[in-house]
Amino acid sequence: DGGITQSPKYLFRKEGQNVTLSCEQNLNHDAMYWYRQDPGQGLRLIYYSQIVNDFQKGDIAEGYSVSREKKESFPLTVTSAQKNPTAFYLCASSIDTSGSYEQFFGPGTRLTVL
Amino acid sequence: DQQVKQNSPSLSVQEGRISILNCDYTNSMFDYFLWYKKYPAEGPTFLISISSIKDKNEDGRFTVFLNKSAKHLSLHIVPSQPGDSAVYFCAASAAGGGADGLTFGKGTHLIIQP
Repeated sequence: DGGITQSPKYLFRKEGQNVTLSCEQNLNHDAMYWYRQDPGQGLRLIYYSQIVNDFQKGDIAEGYSVSREKKESFPLTVTSAQKNPTAFYLCASSIDTSGSYEQFFGPGTRLTVL
Repeated sequence: DQQVKQNSPSLSVQEGRISILNCDYTNSMFDYFLWYKKYPAEGPTFLISISSIKDKNEDGRFTVFLNKSAKHLSLHIVPSQPGDSAVYFCAASAAGGGADGLTFGKGTHLIIQP
């Protein structure tokens, strides 16, 4: 039963603390992505990774960091430098082959900064 | 600079009728378009896509139309059912751009009235 899992579903953090959101996929996809959704907004790309040990900044990377040590895993760290971290975070993956652009999404993590 | 626009934040349609969701884009490099459906507090699920070499793609009750000259696409749902009530996101990618994520519109909240 292939898919993408994100944990936890809800996360609370005090201001000034770093927090790491988990994303795991067993779809054997090369590409993985992190998006952020705010109320009334579309999804905005934070970081993406085409392959293990490689990742690139998206449109709103400031205050975030990622790692891609394994094909299955792409954790996102929200650092204290992120000025407005309260949001719904979505992880996605896709087969990085020519003509295949569909992305599959995880269930999301809602982060609230107290 | 919003490259993918969904100008209707919400749309109300009677059950059994046709729902038409619209999307406009500005980037002429976009060559692949997708529609995603999203329920609250869940990740988006892929609905249907269309390549720029086509002007129509149909999958069951869902049909996507692409008008390249007008940089416009639409999603038709016929007949509309209560379970179709959700937020629908239009997304686009450029040639070879699958690896760096999709550009999303802000979404249209479809409400199916009984």
